[in-house]
Amino acid sequence: DAGVIQSPRHEVTEMGQEVTLRCKPISGHNSLFWYRQTMMRGLELLIYFNNNVPIDDSGMPEDRFSAKMPNASFSTLKIQPSEPRDSAVYFCASSLSFTNTDTQYFGPGTRLTVL
Amino acid sequence: QKEVEQNSGPLSVPEGAIASLNCTYSDRGSQSFFWYRQYSGKSPELIMFIYSNGDKEDGRFTAQLNKASQYVSLLIRDSQPSDSATYLCAVINTGTASKLTFGTGTRLQVTL
Repeated sequence: DAGVIQSPRHEVTEMGQEVTLRCKPISGHNSLFWYRQTMMRGLELLIYFNNNVPIDDSGMPEDRFSAKMPNASFSTLKIQPSEPRDSAVYFCASSLSFTNTDTQYFGPGTRLTVL
Repeated sequence: QKEVEQNSGPLSVPEGAIASLNCTYSDRGSQSFFWYRQYSGKSPELIMFIYSNGDKEDGRFTAQLNKASQYVSLLIRDSQPSDSATYLCAVINTGTASKLTFGTGTRLQVTL
């Protein structure tokens, strides 16, 4: 079985540009999570979905960030406009369901650099 | 105060020794606790989880939970160089279903 798939793996862009990160969760998983990891702040949850519905977006840093999950097999995280402080590794994770016992499986991440 | 605290390390242990990694959390009502391992440049992967007070063993790994003292630890027996990685403690806080809050991780170095 394929794991969580993310694209692109690396993204270098200039300040002010729009960035779109993509995620395909594990087939059959109903919950999807977007995280951001930096040296300073560690791994932070940005937003999560259950059955394609956003449940909690309190971790989204500001209005420049938005996320969608149009169907069970695809999600996007968009940053518009991007800023240098958005540089980080962005992980997508999925789990079977929305309970406190389900394992979250992480994708390989997208390393974003904003110049 | 951070919700989940870990010593950033590095924690250096010789090969074959026991590595002890600690984590404290602030939400007394937290129910679920997870240990993830992250190799440099890779994504986190789950090692084990624990829900009840006491010890839980899985191979060379033992998770220990003490809810009264609000700490959870991970012991790695017979440490191997391949165990060198960052270990992330994660907690599900009260009423947040599957929302994980991570510590910043402890870097473990197993020396030959």
